[in-house]
Amino acid sequence: QSALIQPASVSGSPGQSITISCTGTSSDIGGYNSVSWYQQHPGKAPKLMIHDVSDRPSGISNRFSGAKSGSTASLTISGLQAEDEAHYYCSSYTNINTVVFGGGTKLTVL
Amino acid sequence: QVQLVQSGAEVKKPGASVKVSCKTSGYTFANSHITWVRQAPGQGPEWMGRTSPYYGDTNYDQKFQDRVTVTTDTSTMTAYMELRSLTSDDTAYYFCATGRNWFDTWGQGTLVTVSS
Repeated sequence: QSALIQPASVSGSPGQSITISCTGTSSDIGGYNSVSWYQQHPGKAPKLMIHDVSDRPSGISNRFSGAKSGSTASLTISGLQAEDEAHYYCSSYTNINTVVFGGGTKLTVL
Repeated sequence: QVQLVQSGAEVKKPGASVKVSCKTSGYTFANSHITWVRQAPGQGPEWMGRTSPYYGDTNYDQKFQDRVTVTTDTSTMTAYMELRSLTSDDTAYYFCATGRNWFDTWGQGTLVTVSS
């Protein structure tokens, strides 16, 4: 199973909105509503931000939202804050009962 | 609160095996899958496999199928991941996490270094 495709980097100024894309295939993102997004700061474990395409776990700001169209998922962060600077990874359930991650996107808050 | 505490860093020689533990607390161990994910330095996470403490079934990524074993001990609420025939490419942080297809609580990670 090949890794999901994410842009290597995105950037935005405080207060702005950014969107990170995550492209897969019909065997993963396109076939299931089981896309998740994780935030990872240096030296820390990943943190779940979104699951099942657009559901936020308790305690996650509503500035974070997820969506999916076909085989591409997206994470939007609105009202960018300095603490949002981190790596973001998408993941999806697959048709062979496994999970595949994306290569990751480095978000820089200018 | 839910906590996953992993065993400490390991240094192994090529060809050896490593077994990482993941001690859980704060929830009903049998009610949630345990998943193992690894992350090489500077790389994205890689899903390795999962197990259900309740049902005892496991699923592995094809890449690791032949040399990884994930187990659980319900009496101590601890999960284990053993990886055999190590090479330098296995140098990475290894994480346990709760969940089947998405992972809401993670261990702190265990650095496994493979070097001759």
